[in-house]
Amino acid sequence: SQQGEEDPQALSIQEGENATMNCSYKTSINNLQWYRQNSGRGLVHLILIRSNEREKHSGRLRVTLDTSKKSSSLLITASRAADTASYFCATVRNTGFQKLVFGTGTRLLVSP
Amino acid sequence: EAQVTQNPRYLITVTGKKLTVTCSQNMNHEYMSWYRQDPGLGLRQIYYSMNVEVTDKGDVPEGYKVSRKEKRNFPLILESPSPNQTSLYFCASSGWDRDNSPLHFGNGTRLTVT
Repeated sequence: SQQGEEDPQALSIQEGENATMNCSYKTSINNLQWYRQNSGRGLVHLILIRSNEREKHSGRLRVTLDTSKKSSSLLITASRAADTASYFCATVRNTGFQKLVFGTGTRLLVSP
Repeated sequence: EAQVTQNPRYLITVTGKKLTVTCSQNMNHEYMSWYRQDPGLGLRQIYYSMNVEVTDKGDVPEGYKVSRKEKRNFPLILESPSPNQTSLYFCASSGWDRDNSPLHFGNGTRLTVT
């Protein structure tokens, strides 16, 4: 069964705007990861946040984690057309090494 | 260059004809895994391997086999493919560090079974 559920399913914005994607999950986790997928290609790891962390930054990416609400958000600031991709959250459960469970993703379209 | 290499990139076959999708990584990773990606269902894990000769079922293992005879290779075998196995397949690998082990993905194999 899917652990992570991303929201929204699709997001369309203009270049320069910020994009926020949310992820909810069901069980206790060890860490949560965000991945990006360009059309039909392999996923690329963006950022990992551990269960004892609340916020993490990497360049234009900001990830938050609220374990009490079992949710995470990914913020892309000052988006560019090249950010157009699908974004997936994935959770590592507290039991079972690297049983990474992916959500169904958010499709982001950034228009020039 | 560190990478996960899958072959072939595209594969069209007929029902019942055995096929193998190869996966190789050059990062000396212990952990390897196969996923399938279908519209609306996201990525689902088929099989994974913690190390040589250690494999285990994921969430959707039916109709698939794997082997891990060498650390770098983790082939996916479909003994008798069926149309419901038409999908986009990804191999991935990572190291042992549980807290800092992002997955490295191959570029995918698009399989069509007619």
